[in-house]
Order: sequence, then structure tokens, then C-alpha cells
Amino acid sequence: EVQLVESGGGLVQPGGSLRLSCAASGFTFSTYSMHWVRQAPGKGLEYVSTIGGNGGSTYYANSVKGRFTISRDNSKSTLYLQMGSLRTEDMALYYCVRGGSSWYYFDSWGQGALVTVSS
Amino acid sequence: QSALTQPASVSGSPGQSITISCTGTSSDVGSYNLVSWYQQHPGKAPKLMIYEVTKRPSGVSNRFSGSKSGNTASLTISGLQAEDEADYYCCSHAGSSTFVVFGGGTKLTVL
Repeated sequence: EVQLVESGGGLVQPGGSLRLSCAASGFTFSTYSMHWVRQAPGKGLEYVSTIGGNGGSTYYANSVKGRFTISRDNSKSTLYLQMGSLRTEDMALYYCVRGGSSWYYFDSWGQGALVTVSS
Repeated sequence: QSALTQPASVSGSPGQSITISCTGTSSDVGSYNLVSWYQQHPGKAPKLMIYEVTKRPSGVSNRFSGSKSGNTASLTISGLQAEDEADYYCCSHAGSSTFVVFGGGTKLTVL
């Protein structure tokens, strides 16, 4: 069974930094693209970032480009999202998501890590 | 990149069929057969229902089907059941500079 468990969420001040982690199990982690998708309270889904299976390709939403960095450690089956220069509009539930065979759909989702940005 | 356009809400009675539209542009929905649909119940993580416009993952009921015409994709749910009441989101590849874009979501109410 595919399991994705996020951690690292919490309260951070505007301008601060936070690193999210996602521990994956139940599948061969290195063979799948992985993604972060977020959802602000009461709002819809928003794409954040993507990384290929070997970590060689990364993509970012314009709203986070230059502030967030996605990475992975295939030896630990763990996905990361380093978030910097955080803004109040970054406050959301961040989902760790496994990509499908074509990368462009998301076939398994974690339960999310809540990031609160407030002074 | 603007979100794909979905109706805010749709409703139907048990046993009926409903269709949720997802309108994009020639840069996303219209250019790629890479539209997916997600179901989200309150307080739960989204669940993949349709991918690559028409394909259903294993375990998803065949009451769910997808289609596309031009810049608009659609999700049809036939034989509505109470458990189908949820939020539904469409998503499309939008080129390498944007990767994917989501719709704003549609709340389905089963009357």
C-alpha cells in the first residue's frame, strides 16, 4: 500500500523559512515523479512543485519560484520542500503527491502538513 | 497562469447523471490529452478519479467518465449516489513553464 506521510509543518513568521518532509513507502520511490500541491483554508487546490524520479528535473509554480526548493533523497525514500521568504498567502495545507506514469496526474496523496504564516 | 474554469456548484438527485465542465485554453486543455479529475470529501485528501482525459484508475467506479472537446473537458457521474457528494477538481498540463494548472473546484450536492 502506498503511504505518504508529511511532517515539518507549523507556525512561522512572514519572511521566515520552513522545511517540509514526506516519507514514502509501499512503492519504489526512485521510479516516480513526486509533487507538492497546496490548499489554503477553504480554498481550492494549487500546484506548487515537481521533481523527477532521479531528481534531475524540477518545476515550480510562478508563485513560489525563487523562494521554494524541491528535493529528494531516494536512499531514504523522502521528499522535501524547503520554503523561504514565506508570505501570508503561502499559508495552506501542503500535500505530498506521487505522480502517475505520465507525470501530469497525481495518483496518491498524503494527508498534508499545515503551514501557518503569521506574526 | 489562470485557473481552469469550473462551475462553483452542481446538484442532482440519486440515480441521475450530472456533468461538470472544466474550461481552459488552447495552451492547456486544448493542447494536451492530460486532463485529470480529483474528488475531495471534507477533511480528506483528494482522490484521483480520471486521468489522461478518459482513463479510470483501478478501483474507481465505472459510473465516473471523462471526455474532452476543444478547450473544455468534462466529468460525468452517472447513477448518482449520496457518497458522490464532494468537491471535484480538474487539472491539466499547461506546458513546461507552468507544468499543471487546477480548476477552481465544483461542489457536488446530491439532493
